[in-house]
Amino acid sequence: EAGVTQFPSHSVIEKGQTVTLRCDPISGHDNLYWYRRVMGKEIKFLLHFVKESKQDESGMPNNRFLAERTGGTYSTLKVQPAELEDSGVYFCASSQSSQVNEVFGPGTRLTVL
Amino acid sequence: SQELEQSPQSLIVQEGKNLTINCTSSKTLYGLYWYKQKYGEGLIFLMMLQKGGEEKSHEKITAKLDEKKQQSSLHITASQPSHAGIYLCGADYSNYQLIWGAGTKLIIKP
Repeated sequence: EAGVTQFPSHSVIEKGQTVTLRCDPISGHDNLYWYRRVMGKEIKFLLHFVKESKQDESGMPNNRFLAERTGGTYSTLKVQPAELEDSGVYFCASSQSSQVNEVFGPGTRLTVL
Repeated sequence: SQELEQSPQSLIVQEGKNLTINCTSSKTLYGLYWYKQKYGEGLIFLMMLQKGGEEKSHEKITAKLDEKKQQSSLHITASQPSHAGIYLCGADYSNYQLIWGAGTKLIIKP
């Protein structure tokens, strides 16, 4: 069984540009989560999808961040326009509704210059 | 062998009793994170440890990182039903990706 995959693994962009991160959850997993870790700090929750619906987006830092999950399969997280403080590692995780454990993807490292 | 081993895999504890969960790394850690996972709620951050010998407490939960920065323990004193869940340790080797432990499922018996 393939795990959670994220693309790209590393993205370097300039301030003001747009970046879109993609997460492919494990097939059949209705729950999809986005997390972010800023350098040297703990992972922080961003939002939670159940299928295509946003269950909880209380962790989204501001309106420059837009997450979508059309069709309830893969999800994208767009940052527009990117700021320096957006640099960090963005993790995606998924879980089946009847299970507790989330499976984490490897993360996408975002560097904003 | 795995880089990060967490034990035990599961734990059933009588309410009011103390318990300890361990996380052992095969190499020196840059940092060690403890999280709790509850059904449908995602990860709840508990503590981050970076210095050898460091100890932090949050309510009745205490976590330590040993001097060599290769092992951490999470200790819960006088356990309560609200402590039930899955506890995860995450190892930071490069300040980039995290390596996760397998998790410890904690059940509190009333």
